Amino acid sequence: GENVEQHPSTLSVQEGDSAVIKCTYSDSASNYFPWYKQELGKRPQLIIDIRSNVGEKKDQRIAVTLNKTAKHFSLHITETQPEDSAVYFCAGALYNTDKLIFGTGTRLQVFP
Amino acid sequence: DAEITQSPRHKITETGRQVTLACHQTWNHNNMFWYRQDLGHGLRLIHYSYGVHDTNKGEVSDGYSVSRSNTEDLPLTLESAASSQTSVYFCASRGATGELFFGEGSRLTVL
Repeated sequence: GENVEQHPSTLSVQEGDSAVIKCTYSDSASNYFPWYKQELGKRPQLIIDIRSNVGEKKDQRIAVTLNKTAKHFSLHITETQPEDSAVYFCAGALYNTDKLIFGTGTRLQVFP
Repeated sequence: DAEITQSPRHKITETGRQVTLACHQTWNHNNMFWYRQDLGHGLRLIHYSYGVHDTNKGEVSDGYSVSRSNTEDLPLTLESAASSQTSVYFCASRGATGELFFGEGSRLTVL
């Protein structure tokens, strides 16, 4: 089955700086890689996802890159703001036919 | 608006007791999931269902069971609660685009 590893476990940045979170996956059949954001005391919510037919996807200040050969994908947040502070989870699965397996999460703190 | 709800939101129970956490969604999604969240472990899949009468084991299914008698509900049962099952439990359903919609979570404490 799929196994997803995520690094770092904690990340502190100054407001305005960039943040990068990296994940690796084990199952070469996986083709769907979403990222979820969980604010303190709240439920996880999808912020961006990528499928294996593309290498990069952007949505305003966030972007995700995928390297299928190396089986790793990354979340990039530019111009970080205090409201970006949260726990971020990566995940992997066979799109719409399999269960999502999550990484262990990254706690991002953005200091003003 | 369609939604996914969990109950109870908070529960304290004793070791050995049976506990059932309810999950109800109004999107008519076929795919539903139960995860537990623990510090240092992220979200781990307990059980999942792809439709009525279908149930499957996830990564950490020991001590848990689910049943799916209709599309809307996937209750999670702890047959004999253990302290190791103290956790926050999230139910989720999957939409057509692959996105998981999570409930608000149920915090369970086993004393």
